[in-house]
Amino acid sequence: EAGVAQSPRYKIIEKRQSVAFWCNPISGHATLYWYQQILGQGPKLLIQFQNNGVVDDSQLPKDRFSAERLKGVDSTLKIQPAKLEDSAVYLCASSFLQGPNQPQHFGDGTRLSIL
Amino acid sequence: DQQVKQNSPSLSVQEGRISILNCDYTNSMFDYFLWYKKYPAEGPTFLISISSIKDKNEDGRFTVFLNKSAKHLSLHIVPSQPGDSAVYFCAASKAGTGNQFYFGTGTSLTVIP
Repeated sequence: EAGVAQSPRYKIIEKRQSVAFWCNPISGHATLYWYQQILGQGPKLLIQFQNNGVVDDSQLPKDRFSAERLKGVDSTLKIQPAKLEDSAVYLCASSFLQGPNQPQHFGDGTRLSIL
Repeated sequence: DQQVKQNSPSLSVQEGRISILNCDYTNSMFDYFLWYKKYPAEGPTFLISISSIKDKNEDGRFTVFLNKSAKHLSLHIVPSQPGDSAVYFCAASKAGTGNQFYFGTGTSLTVIP
């Protein structure tokens, strides 16, 4: 089975610019997650979707970050405007079901550098 | 607020010996724990998990031990192989929160041939 696809792999922008990341989960996976991983830290959940509905976005900085999963399949995460502290790897993950015992399958991430 | 902690940033082990990676958590409501393995420039890959109703789960060379009273879990790799060299993350979750996992900061394991 094809894994979680993310693009682009790398992105360099200047602060105050905007950027968007794309994720295509494993086919049939209803649950999709976006994580932010800052260098030296573990992944931190930004937002979780169940199909096209938001389950949890409590840690998403909503003044600058937005995410959507309009058709319940692929998803985009946007940052506008970017700040220096947004430099991180943005990971997308998916799972077939929602629940604490459902392992998440991760994509390879997008490495974002803010100049 | 770091609810899951991995206090050893790195670990080096000789090939064939045992690797023990440790993880501590603070939230007694966590009831499911997972270990992920991550190679450079790749996303984390699920390795092994354990429910809070168990104290041990084994899968081939990998065994996870859970000590709920100490809020501590460990991952044992026996025997260690050079291909095991990676960053290992532990993650914890609690029922009723969807599927939100809280990740530790990771331990970089190097297995020396």
